[in-house]
Amino acid sequence: GAGVSQSPRYKVAKRGQDVALRCDPISGHVSLFWYQQALGQGPEFLTYFQNEAQLDKSGLPSDRFFAERPEGSVSTLKIQRTQQEDSAVYLCASSSRLAANTGELFFGEGSRLTVL
Amino acid sequence: AQSVTQLDSHVSVSEGTPVLLRCNYSSSYSPSLFWYVQHPNKGLQLLLKYTSAATLVKGINGFEAEFKKSETSFHLTKPSAHMSDAAEYFCAMGNSGYALNFGKGTSLLVTP
Repeated sequence: GAGVSQSPRYKVAKRGQDVALRCDPISGHVSLFWYQQALGQGPEFLTYFQNEAQLDKSGLPSDRFFAERPEGSVSTLKIQRTQQEDSAVYLCASSSRLAANTGELFFGEGSRLTVL
Repeated sequence: AQSVTQLDSHVSVSEGTPVLLRCNYSSSYSPSLFWYVQHPNKGLQLLLKYTSAATLVKGINGFEAEFKKSETSFHLTKPSAHMSDAAEYFCAMGNSGYALNFGKGTSLLVTP
């Protein structure tokens, strides 16, 4: 389809494992966002890319979290040495605008991470 | 501080009755405000947005919201609820940066 695609949809990891979550944004969208949504909570901002440049990573909770978008399209969120508190749904969103407050964000269905 | 507060974590209405989901905001400047809907296991979808044009904003599926600066509110309404409206609803605000700040969400239950 033409929407934002995320994979895997579900991931179970043992504590201490590394995980990688992939996001395929809508073709041509310059802006890409990662959000973390804990159970029963609203999405919390993690990081923002404008094309390949990571312009804001202020929401990444620790240096175990790393995101990249090397060619300005597909993005990967990597979590090293996963902890139980990392269990959440990770949402990716893209936009044709340069900032979220000027246009619509298109969200993927999310990657649900469970850390045992 | 810039923040969004959704006043109800759960709202239950009967099918065919009005819906009111409440959102207050705190911002030191004129904000952009949004309502998103999330159906189970689906991504968030934009319902409507306010970006300093008309204070009454009409969205998809019969929803609308009114920006009231004096009350710092942006409540979401619909005249008649449908079963398909049952979902999680998020109010969000554009901040001075690139991202949106989301509220904690309101779960809307529609009963027959």
